[in-house]
Amino acid sequence: KAGVTQTPRYLIKTRGQQVTLSCSPISGHRSVSWYQQTPGQGLQFLFEYFSETQRNKGNFPGRFSGRQFSNSRSEMNVSTLELGDSALYLCASSLVLEVHEQFFGPGTRLTVL
Amino acid sequence: GNSVTQMEGPVTLSEEAFLTINCTYTATGYPSLFWYVQYPGEGLQLLLKATKADDKGSNKGFEATYRKETTSFHLEKGSVQVSDSAVYFCALASGGSNYKLTFGKGTLLTVNP
Repeated sequence: KAGVTQTPRYLIKTRGQQVTLSCSPISGHRSVSWYQQTPGQGLQFLFEYFSETQRNKGNFPGRFSGRQFSNSRSEMNVSTLELGDSALYLCASSLVLEVHEQFFGPGTRLTVL
Repeated sequence: GNSVTQMEGPVTLSEEAFLTINCTYTATGYPSLFWYVQYPGEGLQLLLKATKADDKGSNKGFEATYRKETTSFHLEKGSVQVSDSAVYFCALASGGSNYKLTFGKGTLLTVNP
């Protein structure tokens, strides 16, 4: 069974631009979560989607948004990029409604110049 | 709110040494506890988990016991290998926020031959 895939793996943008990251969960998984990983703040929860509905959102500004499609694939978008948005963005999928086991993708490394 | 505190790194050991990485938590309700491992350039992999008090999670020679009385979930391995070099994250999921994980800051482990 294929794991969680994220595209692209690496991305370089400049301040003020916007970016869209994509995540394909494991087949059959309907919950998709996004996390931001930085050296200073560690791993921080962005949001979680289940059946195309955002169920929970972390403490991030409105520039960070996401969505989930009917096939459970998810995208996250960051508008008006700032230098501090440089990070590894991790997507995780889960089979069950409540997360007892999340499976993580390899991440997208975003660099903002 | 929920929080996880794990020992600061980095931790450097010789091959076959004993490993302990401390983790304590604060949470409402009865959390599920996890250890994740991140190898260089990769996403997170679930190492082990425990969903109720006194449960022992184990995998690949690693063990951790859910101690409710001390709110701890320390990771141990009797004999580390060079291939265990990675960053280890303690995490919890609790109560109504079961669909998000709260992570510790991570502990970098380096094992020398």
